[in-house]
Amino acid sequence: QQQVKQSPQSLIVQKGGIPIINCAYENTAFDYFPWYQQFPGKGPALLIAIRPDVSEKKEGRFTISFNKSAKQFSLHIMDSQPGDSATYFCAASTGLSGNTPLVFGKGTRLSVIA
Amino acid sequence: NAGVTQTPKFRILKIGQSMTLQCTQDMNHNYMYWYRQDPGMGLKLIYYSVGAGITDKGEVPNGYNVSRSTTEDFPLRLELAAPSQTSVYFCASSYGGNTEAFFGQGTRLTVV
Repeated sequence: QQQVKQSPQSLIVQKGGIPIINCAYENTAFDYFPWYQQFPGKGPALLIAIRPDVSEKKEGRFTISFNKSAKQFSLHIMDSQPGDSATYFCAASTGLSGNTPLVFGKGTRLSVIA
Repeated sequence: NAGVTQTPKFRILKIGQSMTLQCTQDMNHNYMYWYRQDPGMGLKLIYYSVGAGITDKGEVPNGYNVSRSTTEDFPLRLELAAPSQTSVYFCASSYGGNTEAFFGQGTRLTVV
């Protein structure tokens, strides 16, 4: 079964808009929730990550919101730009005993149109 | 810094052939991973390793084998290539299980 469920599959926003991508998980042992950005022909690259002891993390225009009780986390991109057009993946893992390796959602293809 | 290096970048195999996808990292990372990426399906974990001499199956291990004799290298072996193995393969590494993973540029494999 899919350990991390991501939605939507694709998203189109106008420049300056705020796209929101959502992820949900079941395994309460997960303790690391990164978001990866992938451009065509390239490998994924870490965008921002959060651990469950905080509810929000901001890095530049990118914000992760984390809801531990609902087992959900989301990515918000403020003032989106055409250069943000890429595929975004949420992921989860645990470094604790059991060592669940990094598992990914199915990805969201974001298009930011000028 | 080279980071994670994968070779080859592209390969076409005939059904039944075998090949090894190479992956090496120069960051002294303990963890290494192999993923395959199919359109609209995200990244699926094939095998992973938490250190030299230790490997474990991921979500989709059938048809593949790995070894981890050194910290730096984590080759992925396809013994009898099948069309279902047509995909883009990514190798990644991280210091720990819950730290940033760095990805290679990928290997695009087509089995005909």
